[in-house]
Amino acid sequence: DAGVTQSPTHLIKTRGQHVTLRCSPISGHKSVSWYQQVLGQGPQFIFQYYEKEERGRGNFPDRFSARQFPNYSSELNVNALLLGDSALYLCASSPRQGALTGELFFGEGSRLTVL
Amino acid sequence: GNSVTQMEGPVTLSEEAFLTINCTYTATGYPSLFWYVQYPGEGLQLLLKATKADDKGSNKGFEATYRKETTSFHLEKGSVQVSDSAVYFCALIPMNSGYSTLTFGKGTMLLVSP
Repeated sequence: DAGVTQSPTHLIKTRGQHVTLRCSPISGHKSVSWYQQVLGQGPQFIFQYYEKEERGRGNFPDRFSARQFPNYSSELNVNALLLGDSALYLCASSPRQGALTGELFFGEGSRLTVL
Repeated sequence: GNSVTQMEGPVTLSEEAFLTINCTYTATGYPSLFWYVQYPGEGLQLLLKATKADDKGSNKGFEATYRKETTSFHLEKGSVQVSDSAVYFCALIPMNSGYSTLTFGKGTMLLVSP
Protein backbone atom coordinates (compact mmCIF):
# COMPACT_ATOMS: atom_id res chain seq x y z
CA ASP A 1 0.00 0.00 0.00
CA ALA A 2 1.17 3.52 -0.75
CA GLY A 3 2.18 5.69 2.16
CA VAL A 4 1.35 9.34 2.66
CA THR A 5 2.23 11.25 -0.50
CA GLN A 6 2.90 14.96 -0.69
CA SER A 7 3.43 17.33 -3.58
CA PRO A 8 5.39 19.20 -4.61
CA THR A 9 8.53 17.90 -2.92
CA HIS A 10 10.41 21.17 -3.34
CA LEU A 11 9.35 24.64 -4.34
CA ILE A 12 10.71 28.18 -4.29
CA LYS A 13 8.50 31.24 -3.88
CA THR A 14 9.08 34.92 -3.31
CA ARG A 15 7.76 37.04 -0.48
CA GLY A 16 4.10 37.96 -0.82
CA GLN A 17 3.22 35.02 -3.04
CA HIS A 18 0.76 32.27 -2.26
CA VAL A 19 1.47 28.53 -2.05
CA THR A 20 -0.67 25.39 -2.08
CA LEU A 21 0.67 22.11 -0.77
CA ARG A 22 -1.11 18.81 -1.31
CA CYS A 23 -1.34 15.59 0.63
CA SER A 24 -2.87 12.18 -0.03
CA PRO A 25 -3.31 10.06 3.10
CA ILE A 26 -2.90 6.34 3.38
CA SER A 27 -5.91 4.55 1.96
CA GLY A 28 -8.57 4.21 4.65
CA HIS A 29 -7.18 6.97 6.85
CA LYS A 30 -9.69 9.70 7.54
CA SER A 31 -7.58 12.11 9.56
CA VAL A 32 -4.92 14.40 8.11
CA SER A 33 -2.64 16.69 10.09
CA TRP A 34 -0.17 19.33 8.94
CA TYR A 35 3.07 20.22 10.69
CA GLN A 36 5.74 22.84 9.98
CA GLN A 37 9.36 21.87 10.58
CA VAL A 38 11.80 24.75 10.53
CA LEU A 39 15.43 23.74 10.05
CA GLY A 40 16.90 22.54 13.32
CA GLN A 41 13.57 22.42 15.14
CA GLY A 42 10.94 19.82 15.83
CA PRO A 43 7.68 19.78 13.87
CA GLN A 44 5.04 22.28 14.99
CA PHE A 45 1.35 21.44 14.69
CA ILE A 46 -0.63 23.57 12.23
CA PHE A 47 -3.97 21.83 11.55
CA GLN A 48 -5.84 18.60 11.93
CA TYR A 49 -8.78 17.59 9.76
CA TYR A 50 -11.10 14.65 10.27
CA GLU A 51 -14.04 13.78 8.09
CA LYS A 52 -13.53 17.03 6.18
CA GLU A 53 -13.88 19.22 9.27
CA GLU A 54 -11.18 21.16 11.10
CA ARG A 55 -10.64 19.49 14.46
CA GLY A 56 -7.59 21.33 15.70
CA ARG A 57 -5.53 24.41 14.94
CA GLY A 58 -2.09 25.33 16.17
CA ASN A 59 -0.68 28.77 16.89
CA PHE A 60 -0.32 29.97 13.30
CA PRO A 61 -1.60 33.17 11.71
CA ASP A 62 -4.70 33.34 9.54
CA ARG A 63 -2.46 33.36 6.45
CA PHE A 64 -2.42 29.60 6.93
CA SER A 65 -5.52 27.67 5.91
CA ALA A 66 -6.34 24.13 4.93
CA ARG A 67 -9.14 21.91 3.81
CA GLN A 68 -9.92 18.23 3.40
CA PHE A 69 -11.72 16.81 0.41
CA PRO A 70 -14.32 14.00 0.21
CA ASN A 71 -11.57 11.54 -0.73
CA TYR A 72 -9.73 12.60 2.47
CA SER A 73 -6.86 14.27 0.61
CA SER A 74 -5.92 17.69 1.90
CA GLU A 75 -4.46 21.02 0.87
CA LEU A 76 -2.49 23.50 2.95
CA ASN A 77 -2.57 27.08 1.71
CA VAL A 78 -0.29 29.88 2.83
CA ASN A 79 -0.92 33.45 1.70
CA ALA A 80 1.36 36.48 1.70
CA LEU A 81 4.48 34.40 2.19
CA LEU A 82 7.17 35.62 4.55
CA LEU A 83 10.82 34.60 4.69
CA GLY A 84 10.05 32.88 7.99
CA ASP A 85 7.63 30.51 6.26
CA SER A 86 10.59 28.68 4.74
CA ALA A 87 10.35 25.20 6.18
CA LEU A 88 9.57 21.56 5.57
CA TYR A 89 5.81 21.06 5.64
CA LEU A 90 4.81 17.62 6.79
CA CYS A 91 1.51 15.89 6.29
CA ALA A 92 0.50 12.98 8.50
CA SER A 93 -2.48 10.67 8.39
CA SER A 94 -4.12 8.42 10.94
CA PRO A 95 -7.11 6.12 10.85
CA ARG A 96 -9.19 8.04 13.38
CA GLN A 97 -9.51 11.50 14.82
CA GLY A 98 -8.13 10.61 18.20
CA ALA A 99 -5.68 7.95 17.00
CA LEU A 100 -5.52 6.43 20.43
CA THR A 101 -2.20 4.81 19.65
CA GLY A 102 -0.84 8.24 18.87
CA GLU A 103 0.76 6.89 15.75
CA LEU A 104 0.81 9.27 12.85
CA PHE A 105 2.08 8.22 9.44
CA PHE A 106 4.15 11.01 7.94
CA GLY A 107 4.91 11.87 4.36
CA GLU A 108 8.36 12.99 3.26
CA GLY A 109 7.29 16.59 3.23
CA SER A 110 7.25 19.59 0.94
CA ARG A 111 10.27 21.83 1.31
CA LEU A 112 9.30 25.46 0.80
CA THR A 113 11.92 28.15 0.30
CA VAL A 114 10.78 31.77 0.36
CA LEU A 115 13.18 34.29 -1.17
CA GLY B 1 1.38 24.31 28.32
CA ASN B 2 2.86 21.09 27.03
CA SER B 3 6.52 20.90 26.10
CA VAL B 4 9.30 18.43 25.43
CA THR B 5 12.99 19.01 26.07
CA GLN B 6 15.69 16.89 24.47
CA MET B 7 19.42 16.87 24.84
CA GLU B 8 21.32 18.91 22.30
CA GLY B 9 23.03 17.13 19.47
CA PRO B 10 24.77 15.94 17.53
CA VAL B 11 25.56 12.81 19.45
CA THR B 12 28.58 11.16 17.87
CA LEU B 13 29.29 7.51 18.64
CA SER B 14 31.31 4.64 17.30
CA GLU B 15 29.54 1.51 16.12
CA GLU B 16 28.53 -0.85 18.99
CA ALA B 17 28.62 1.97 21.57
CA PHE B 18 25.81 2.49 24.09
CA LEU B 19 23.32 5.21 23.31
CA THR B 20 21.28 7.42 25.61
CA ILE B 21 19.25 10.39 24.39
CA ASN B 22 17.60 12.28 27.22
CA CYS B 23 14.02 13.51 27.03
CA THR B 24 11.95 15.26 29.69
CA TYR B 25 8.46 16.61 29.37
CA THR B 26 6.02 19.09 30.88
CA ALA B 27 2.33 18.25 30.66
CA THR B 28 -0.82 18.07 32.73
CA GLY B 29 -1.55 14.61 34.03
CA TYR B 30 -0.10 11.62 32.24
CA PRO B 31 0.47 12.11 28.53
CA SER B 32 1.30 9.40 26.04
CA LEU B 33 4.97 9.51 25.05
CA PHE B 34 6.66 8.69 21.77
CA TRP B 35 9.98 8.54 20.02
CA TYR B 36 9.97 9.26 16.30
CA VAL B 37 12.97 8.85 14.00
CA GLN B 38 13.77 10.74 10.81
CA TYR B 39 16.30 9.08 8.53
CA PRO B 40 18.00 11.26 5.91
CA GLY B 41 15.61 12.08 3.08
CA GLU B 42 12.68 10.30 4.68
CA GLY B 43 9.57 11.20 6.66
CA LEU B 44 9.20 10.72 10.39
CA GLN B 45 8.52 7.18 11.57
CA LEU B 46 7.22 6.06 14.92
CA LEU B 47 10.01 4.20 16.72
CA LEU B 48 8.32 3.34 20.01
CA LYS B 49 5.70 4.54 22.44
CA ALA B 50 4.47 4.27 26.04
CA THR B 51 1.01 5.27 27.16
CA LYS B 52 1.20 5.00 30.95
CA ALA B 53 3.67 5.32 33.79
CA ASP B 54 6.31 2.58 34.07
CA ASP B 55 5.51 1.28 30.59
CA LYS B 56 8.55 0.38 28.51
CA GLY B 57 8.39 0.90 24.77
CA SER B 58 10.80 -1.05 22.61
CA ASN B 59 11.55 -1.56 18.93
CA LYS B 60 14.61 -2.41 16.80
CA GLY B 61 16.79 -2.69 19.91
CA PHE B 62 15.76 0.73 21.21
CA GLU B 63 14.02 1.10 24.57
CA ALA B 64 12.48 3.90 26.60
CA THR B 65 10.72 3.77 29.98
CA TYR B 66 7.97 6.19 31.02
CA ARG B 67 9.12 7.67 34.34
CA LYS B 68 6.43 9.86 35.88
CA GLU B 69 8.56 10.66 38.94
CA THR B 70 11.18 12.35 36.81
CA THR B 71 8.84 13.20 33.88
CA SER B 72 11.33 11.54 31.58
CA PHE B 73 11.35 9.15 28.62
CA HIS B 74 15.02 8.59 27.79
CA LEU B 75 15.88 6.60 24.66
CA GLU B 76 18.52 3.87 24.97
CA LYS B 77 20.17 1.28 22.78
CA GLY B 78 22.84 -1.14 23.87
CA SER B 79 24.83 -1.28 20.62
CA VAL B 80 24.31 1.27 17.88
CA GLN B 81 24.89 0.64 14.19
CA VAL B 82 25.87 3.01 11.39
CA SER B 83 22.34 2.59 10.04
CA ASP B 84 20.95 4.17 13.23
CA SER B 85 22.31 7.55 12.13
CA ALA B 86 19.26 9.79 12.04
CA VAL B 87 17.44 12.53 13.92
CA TYR B 88 15.41 11.35 16.91
CA PHE B 89 12.39 13.25 18.20
CA CYS B 90 10.71 12.81 21.53
CA ALA B 91 7.01 13.73 21.52
CA LEU B 92 3.85 13.65 23.60
CA ILE B 93 0.08 13.67 23.25
CA PRO B 94 -1.77 15.07 26.29
CA MET B 95 -3.97 12.69 28.24
CA ASN B 96 -7.60 12.53 27.18
CA SER B 97 -6.73 14.35 24.01
CA GLY B 98 -9.35 13.93 21.33
CA TYR B 99 -6.86 14.86 18.67
CA SER B 100 -3.66 13.37 17.32
CA THR B 101 -1.75 16.53 18.12
CA LEU B 102 1.85 15.69 18.85
CA THR B 103 4.11 18.11 20.69
CA PHE B 104 7.69 17.45 19.59
CA GLY B 105 11.06 18.23 21.05
CA LYS B 106 13.70 19.89 18.88
CA GLY B 107 15.27 16.61 17.87
CA THR B 108 18.67 15.06 18.52
CA MET B 109 20.92 14.09 15.64
CA LEU B 110 22.80 10.81 16.07
CA LEU B 111 25.90 10.15 13.99
CA VAL B 112 27.41 6.66 14.18
CA SER B 113 30.80 6.00 12.64
CA PRO B 114 32.21 2.58 11.66
